[in-house]
Amino acid sequence: GAGVSQTPSNKVTEKGKYVELRCDPISGHTALYWYRQSLGQGPEFLIYFQGTGAADDSGLPNDRFFAVRPEGSVSTLKIQRTERGDSAVYLCASSLASRGPRSYNEQFFGPGTRLTVL
Amino acid sequence: DQQVKQNSPSLSVQEGRISILNCDYTNSMFDYFLWYKKYPAEGPTFLISISSIKDKNEDGRFTVFLNKSAKHLSLHIVPSQPGDSAVYFCAASATQTGANNLFFGTGTRLTVIP
Repeated sequence: GAGVSQTPSNKVTEKGKYVELRCDPISGHTALYWYRQSLGQGPEFLIYFQGTGAADDSGLPNDRFFAVRPEGSVSTLKIQRTERGDSAVYLCASSLASRGPRSYNEQFFGPGTRLTVL
Repeated sequence: DQQVKQNSPSLSVQEGRISILNCDYTNSMFDYFLWYKKYPAEGPTFLISISSIKDKNEDGRFTVFLNKSAKHLSLHIVPSQPGDSAVYFCAASATQTGANNLFFGTGTRLTVIP
C-alpha cells in the first residue's frame, strides 16, 4: 500500500510570502503529526491531529503557523509571512488511532517538504 | 531545552563489528523509546522500540537496551553491514499522558566501512 506522501518535495519562497504544505496520510490512519527538522537537528513536534481536530498544537512556534485537516484525511500546514528562520524540512507522520494512555502506535513518516525562505 | 540527547554526532565502524549508538533523556515522564533510521531525502523509518517496563528488546541484528535509573538507552547493531550506514535518531514519548508525539535527539551518523 501507499505510504505517507507530501507535496511539494521542495518549496522555495521569498520572505514574507504565504506557503501551504500538504500531507496525505496512510489510508485508515486517524492520527496525523507534523514535525519540523532544521539543519543538524532532530525532528521537532509541531501539531497532532486525531481525526479532524487538532488534539495538541503546543509545538507550533507562533501564530504564523496553522494546520487543518477538514475531512480527517489530508492535512495542510500553512505558514504566513514566512521568515528565513522557517527554512527547514517539514515532516508529516500518520498512525492508527491512539488507544489511550500507556499505548503507542508506530508513526510512519513521509519524505518531507524542504522549505527554503530566501 | 533538549529532552533527548545524542552526544555523538558520528560513528564509524568496520563491517562485521558491533555498532553502539547512545542516547540520554531528561524527562522522567517518558515511557516509550524508539530508534529511527534515516537515509538522505527520505523520512525517518522505524527500527525498534522499547517500553519502560522492559530493559531489553531484540529484533534480529538490532537490540535496544534501556537503563531507566540512568535515563539512558543504547542501540546495538551486530554484525554491522554497509547498508546500515545512515543517520540514527533516538526518540521518546510520554504515553501515560495520552500523548503520542515524539521527542527526538539530534541524530548520530553511522558509517559502516566495508
